[in-house]
Amino acid sequence: KAGVTQTPRYLIKTRGQQVTLSCSPISGHRSVSWYQQTPGQGLQFLFEYFSETQRNKGNFPGRFSGRQFSNSRSEMNVSTLELGDSALYLCASSLGAGAGNPYEQYFGPGTRLTVT
Amino acid sequence: KQEVTQIPAALSVPEGENLVLNCSFTDSAIYNLQWFRQDPGKGLTSLLLIQSSQREQTSGRLNASLDKSSGRSTLYIAASQPGDSATYLCAVRPGYGQNFVFGPGTRLSVLP
Repeated sequence: KAGVTQTPRYLIKTRGQQVTLSCSPISGHRSVSWYQQTPGQGLQFLFEYFSETQRNKGNFPGRFSGRQFSNSRSEMNVSTLELGDSALYLCASSLGAGAGNPYEQYFGPGTRLTVT
Repeated sequence: KQEVTQIPAALSVPEGENLVLNCSFTDSAIYNLQWFRQDPGKGLTSLLLIQSSQREQTSGRLNASLDKSSGRSTLYIAASQPGDSATYLCAVRPGYGQNFVFGPGTRLSVLP
C-alpha cells in the first residue's frame, strides 16, 4: 500500500505570492490533516478534512485555507505569503472513522516552503 | 487547553544502552496518545499508539506506557542503536475527533 505523498517537496516563493500544496492520502483513508512545523513553534495543527468537509481548524489566520476532493486528496493554500510562513508543511492521513484506530495518523514527507 | 511537554530536550547515549523518554500533558482527559520519530528534514513515522483505556503498547524494542492520572507517558527503547538517532515526538489527542497536540520533541543521538 502506498504511503502518504506530498507535492512539491521543495518550494521557494517571494513574499506576497500565494502557494498551493498537495497531499494524497493512503488509499482508503478519508481524513487528511495539515500541520506546520517550524524550529520556534514546533508542530502546529492547521486543519483537518474528512469526506470533503473541514472537521477541525487550528489557530491560523484566514490566509491559510484548504480543501479536499472526492478522492480524499487535499490541497492547502497560503495567500499573501509572509517570511514567517517559511516552514515544513506536513500532511497526515487516517481512516477518520470506524472501528480500530481510526485516528492513527500516517505522515507524508512534507513540503519545505521557503519565503524570500 | 491541553499542553504537552517532553523531557529531556536532547539526549546522547552510547550504543547498547536502555533509555526512557518522557512526555507530560496537562489535562488527563485524553482520547489517545501517539509516539512518532522524525529524521532530520523528513516526515513523521508512527511508532506506537496508546488508547486512553490502555496502559502500554509494545513494538519490538519499543515500549510505551500511559498513566493518565499523572498526565505522563514514557517511551522505553531497549538496547539502543545508532539507527535510533532521531527526534521523538509525542502527541496527545484530547478527545474524539479533536486534533493532535504535539510536544516539542526529544532529540536522541546514539553514539557507536
